[in-house]
Amino acid sequence: KAGVTQTPRYLIKTRGQQVTLSCSPISGHRSVSWYQQTPGQGLQFLFEYFSETQRNKGNFPGRFSGRQFSNSRSEMNVSTLELGDSALYLCASSLAGLHTDTQYFGPGTRLTVL
Amino acid sequence: LAKTTQPISMDSYEGQEVNITCSHNNIATNDYITWYQQFPSQGPRFIIQGYKTKVTNEVASLFIPADRKSSTLSLPRVSLSDTAVYYCLFANQAGTALIFGKGTTLSVSS
Repeated sequence: KAGVTQTPRYLIKTRGQQVTLSCSPISGHRSVSWYQQTPGQGLQFLFEYFSETQRNKGNFPGRFSGRQFSNSRSEMNVSTLELGDSALYLCASSLAGLHTDTQYFGPGTRLTVL
Repeated sequence: LAKTTQPISMDSYEGQEVNITCSHNNIATNDYITWYQQFPSQGPRFIIQGYKTKVTNEVASLFIPADRKSSTLSLPRVSLSDTAVYYCLFANQAGTALIFGKGTTLSVSS
């Protein structure tokens, strides 16, 4: 079956702009989680959505937000972009959530903020 | 606060066995330990998952001692294609976030 897809794969924005990233989970998966990956901080958990509700949230500022639709597809939004937001943004889907379930990752969206 | 420690890098030759250890001092009591592999410009890929003792699949083994404060990923007979970054992953005590180790860059040479 099809894997996790993320669009777009690459994105260039300037400081102060906002951006929306999209993630389509594996069919049947209800949990979608988002991660930021940078060379300095590694992989950091942003938040998790399950059945259209944010269930868990990492330690990121309110500029980072997300939502999940009834078909489990999820979007992540970053407002007022800063240079430090340049990163690879990964989403992962699983059947039921963070505990025990295997997380299946998408290829990521590479965001560059100029 | 959940914290992990992994070696930053390891070098190996083709055909050798590689063991990568992750220390996790605050893992949730009921949580599994999972290892992922990541190639450049790709998302992490699941390798193996376990709760305690030993788990083996077609690509790796995972050893977890009784206190579960660490885990060791064992890759038998590595090849050049195993050159990648390896992460350990688990949920925090509250079960509200996933914690990734910093990753171990494995370089396999011929």
